[in-house]
Order: sequence, then C-alpha cells, then structure tokens
Amino acid sequence: ELHLVESGGGLVQPGGSLRLSCVASGFTFSSYWMTWVRQAPGKGLEWVANIKQDGSEKYYVDSVNGRFTISRDNAKNSLYLQMNSLRTEDTAEFYCARGRRGIVVLRGAPDHYYYYMDVWGKGTTVTVSS
Amino acid sequence: AIQLTQSPSSLSASVGDRVTITCRASQGISSALAWYQQKPGKVPKALIFDGSSLESGVPSRFSGSGSGTDFTLTISSLQPEDFATYYCQQFNSFQGLTFGGGTKVEIK
Repeated sequence: ELHLVESGGGLVQPGGSLRLSCVASGFTFSSYWMTWVRQAPGKGLEWVANIKQDGSEKYYVDSVNGRFTISRDNAKNSLYLQMNSLRTEDTAEFYCARGRRGIVVLRGAPDHYYYYMDVWGKGTTVTVSS
Repeated sequence: AIQLTQSPSSLSASVGDRVTITCRASQGISSALAWYQQKPGKVPKALIFDGSSLESGVPSRFSGSGSGTDFTLTISSLQPEDFATYYCQQFNSFQGLTFGGGTKVEIK
C-alpha cells in the first residue's frame, strides 16, 4: 500500500525555522517527482514546492522562494522542507504528495507536459505565532 | 504565475443532479489541468488529470473536458459521497503550479 507520512510540524515564533520530513513507502520513491502543498485553516490548497526525482530541478511558489528549501534523500525514501524566516501567514497544514508528470505526444511530436499529485500524506500542522 | 479562476465558489445540489464546475486559466495551458476532491478533514484526492483522463479507481460519473483556457468538471449524477470541495490545478515548468480557489458542493 502506498503511504506518505509527514512529521516535523509544530508551534514556532515568527522568524523561526522548522524542518518538515516525509517518509514514503509502498512505491519506488526515487522514480517520482515530489511536492509540498499547504492549506491554511479554512482556506484552499496552495502549492509550495516541487522536486525532480534526482533533485536536479526544484520549483517554489514566489511567497516562499528564498525562505524554504525542498530536498530529498532517495536512499532514505524521504522528502524534506526546510522552512526559515517563518511568518504568521505560513501557518497551515503541510501535505507531502507524490507527483505524476507525463508528456502528451500528438502526431508523433511532444505537445505538452502535465503534472498532478496522486498520493497524499495526512499532513503535519505548522503554527507560526508569538 | 498562471491564475486559475473557478466558478461557482459554491453550489447547492440534490442527489441525482448533474453538476458542472468550471475553471478558467489566465493563459493557455493546453490540456494540462487536474481536478481534486477534498472532503472536510480529509486529504485531497485526484479525480482527473490532463484535462479529461480519469484517475484510476474514480467513478465514471466524474468527467473532465476542455483545453486552452476553459475547463469543466462534470458529475453526471451527484451521489451523497460527492458532497465536498473541488479544486482545479495546473503546472507550468516556468511559472510553477497553481490551484483554483475551490468550489464547495453542498446538499440542497
């Protein structure tokens, strides 16, 4: 069975740091893109960051770029999110998710890529407050 | 970043109704759009990817259509377990990933 289990959330003061972890099981972790998504209390989903299978490509939402760092350790089937300079607006449930990236070929030529998340962890809560 | 605008933000419907939710992108994204369902207190679940491809295990009453900037999620006959919030999502390598604001489907 496919599993993603997040940990590392907690209460932190503004300006502080946290490191989230996500451990994968039930699939070949090193074969998949991975993603962090967050959801503030009572709000919608917000993408945070993506990382390619080998860690060579990383993408961030503008609001966390330069403060958060996504990384992975394929030997440990683990995904991480180092969060620095935390703000009150970073308060949210943080989900780890498996990414599925595919390419659509039309008339023998690449037409476009798609990306979506097909396996989600249950989340870890980050609260930034003084 | 590419913006995704969902409409309506909420709707009330009855069991058996046909429900349609729309998602408009601020620029063309081909068919690279996914749809998710999220029930209260639960994690999101993928329903549709690449505009119209049904995720494994998802009931066939769910369907997606559209390309370019305008997309639709349709539930052909609403079931009690379908009352939830639905989100669209796109990813562009140069502009990142975005979700729509969500559509809450409530019981009439």
